[in-house]
Amino acid sequence: DSGVTQTPKHLITATGQRVTLRCSPRSGDLSVYWYQQSLDQGLQFLIQYYNGEERAKGNILERFSAQQFPDLHSELNLSSLELGDSALYFCASSVGAGTSRTDTQYFGPGTRLTVL
Amino acid sequence: AQTVTQSQPEMSVQEAETVTLSCTYDTSENNYYLFWYKQPPSRQMILVIRQEAYKQQNATENRFSVNFQKAAKSFSLKISDSQLGDTAMYFCAFMRVGAGNNRKLIWGLGTSLAVNP
Repeated sequence: DSGVTQTPKHLITATGQRVTLRCSPRSGDLSVYWYQQSLDQGLQFLIQYYNGEERAKGNILERFSAQQFPDLHSELNLSSLELGDSALYFCASSVGAGTSRTDTQYFGPGTRLTVL
Repeated sequence: AQTVTQSQPEMSVQEAETVTLSCTYDTSENNYYLFWYKQPPSRQMILVIRQEAYKQQNATENRFSVNFQKAAKSFSLKISDSQLGDTAMYFCAFMRVGAGNNRKLIWGLGTSLAVNP
């Protein structure tokens, strides 16, 4: 158990709908990362937050948005869902203090999203 | 832009034997970290080992060790005394370390390792 929690574990929804994925980082971690794992594109970085502020953005679609709250949990919002959005969405966290040990990312169990 | 290449999509090894997984990367950066993660059938992403680019000594974690060749931009993972529980997808990942707190991981496509009894 990495200490990173993600809910829900599974999500099945229809095209055009909107969903919210939730992540709670390990205690003491300030950085939260979101990754998408799909069969055709592998693992892709979506976005990073550090202590409530956006730090880096990957190839995140405009239909996707995220935020990190004052208690450091994060939510990833996916809207106008398409079939191609079906994937495993991982959240990871790190302390973020600038050393290899504190920058190492620990992953949650993921949320499996299926868009029908 | 940085890229990570894992040239072996699938590998197999007999239990108790040693196997080496390959990873090469391309970067113009001098300061970075490299990681190996494993993803067993449960789909959980688990850290195996990390290496700092500024360290010449190869990292070791129990049965797992790396061969880090900075000039060749190569970062292979050696698993000794392979166990059935090592069956998983193994991902090599690169993290640029610079100013600020941008610490995104750039991933290879993975190597599927099967440990046979």
